[in-house]
Amino acid sequence: GQQVMQIPQYQHVQEGEDFTTYCNSSTTLSNIQWYKQRPGGHPVFLIQLVKSGEVKKQKRLTFQFGEAKKNSSLHITATQTTDVGTYFCVSAGGTSYGKLTFGQGTILTVHP
Amino acid sequence: GAVVSQHPSWVICKSGTSVKIECRSLDFQATTMFWYRQFPKQSLMLMATSNEGSKATYEQGVEKDKFLINHASLTLSTLTVTSAHPEDSSFYICSARDGWRTEAFFGQGTRLTVV
Repeated sequence: GQQVMQIPQYQHVQEGEDFTTYCNSSTTLSNIQWYKQRPGGHPVFLIQLVKSGEVKKQKRLTFQFGEAKKNSSLHITATQTTDVGTYFCVSAGGTSYGKLTFGQGTILTVHP
Repeated sequence: GAVVSQHPSWVICKSGTSVKIECRSLDFQATTMFWYRQFPKQSLMLMATSNEGSKATYEQGVEKDKFLINHASLTLSTLTVTSAHPEDSSFYICSARDGWRTEAFFGQGTRLTVV
């Protein structure tokens, strides 16, 4: 997989505030996946973006893939305490059996 | 979604002993599985790619003789940490991708503590 850089490393928000994490690559990505890992748990797949400029929504979560396919973002509207966890962007390579390359992750803390 | 089961979920062992971790795909066949290591508050670092019926492919810097991987069937891969030392203490996670699906499915992870 291709290397991806993710920021910020940590984000603390009050419940109800919005949250965004960003992912960047120096090279064009075949696709980008997003995973969420709850504290003490394992990563769980959220979504995959493939097309240039693609935007996908899942309830309060909005995922974007840049026009140049070199960056991506995850935005959460009106965070809830259940959103707590680490969010990873992942470069999934170009094949079904390709290895995943994880970004550094953003640890989200939501204060009630 | 597909299910990947990892066992044990935690293990404590004495320094110098070996520990085996199992990763099973319960409802699909996985010709390829991946083993990751994760330190607290850090990302997942790929250790090796496990290929059914052939030798594993290790990432740069991962000791092949220390982290033995066996992928004897389409549903089972094992990671053996040999002659474990305290610095091997970590969270180990396996994953697999079903042939036609896009996402990877992860095992529950194994927290290894070497004392």
